[in-house]
Amino acid sequence: GDSVTQMEGPVTLSEEAFLTINCTYTATGYPSLFWYVQYPGEGLQLLLKATKADDKGSNKGFEATYRKETTSFHLEKGSVQVSDSAVYFCALIQRNTGNQFYFGTGTSLTVIP
Amino acid sequence: DVKVTQSSRYLVKRTGEKVFLECVQDMDHENMFWYRQDPGLGLRLIYFSYDVKMKEKGDIPEGYSVSREKKERFSLILESASTNQTSMYLCASTPGAEGNTIYFGEGSWLTVV
Repeated sequence: GDSVTQMEGPVTLSEEAFLTINCTYTATGYPSLFWYVQYPGEGLQLLLKATKADDKGSNKGFEATYRKETTSFHLEKGSVQVSDSAVYFCALIQRNTGNQFYFGTGTSLTVIP
Repeated sequence: DVKVTQSSRYLVKRTGEKVFLECVQDMDHENMFWYRQDPGLGLRLIYFSYDVKMKEKGDIPEGYSVSREKKERFSLILESASTNQTSMYLCASTPGAEGNTIYFGEGSWLTVV
C-alpha cells in the first residue's frame, strides 16, 4: 500500500545551519506530495506542495523537489532560524483513494541560537 | 482562508465517560477526517467522511464512532473513554477536487483519567 517514510528525529541544529529532512514514498500512480509543519501546541499547516514529477515546492525559504526516479521529496532550507523549530510531516495524497492522505511519522526540529 | 474549528482545545474526562469532539469547517468541503497524534506514531486516521451521513473507517476505528449530520460538521465520539485514548485529536478537511491541500484544526488534547 501507499506509505511515506521520513527520517527520524529529533534533529538539533544551530541557527543559520543547512537543513535537510529526508522523505521517501511508496505509491502507485502519480501522487501529490506535501510538507506540513506543526508548531508547538498547534495543528498542522501546509508548508509546501508539489503535484507532479520535477515540480519544486517552496515557501518561507524551504524547498522540496518531487523526484519520481528516486521516489523522494526531501525538505531543505539553506539557513534555519530559531522560529523554524517545529515538527515537520511529509505526506502524499493518492488520487484513486478518495483523497485519503498518508503521513510520515514526523521529524522534530530544534534550532538553537 | 479556510478555517477548521475544533470546539475544545483541552479536555479531561474520566474512564467510561462518553466524549464528544466537535469539528466545523467553513469552506463547504466535501471530505472530513479525524486523526489522532501520538509521539513516535505520527498521525493515524480514525474515520473519514466523503459526504453527509457517510463515513468510512480509517486505520484505527476501534473504540470510536463518528457523526456527520451536516456538511460542515464532523463529530468524533468516544462511547466509553479509556486511558489509552489519551491523545491529541486532529480534525481536517479537503475539497472534493483531486490533489488538494488538507486543512487542519488546532487540535484537541484529551486526557482520560
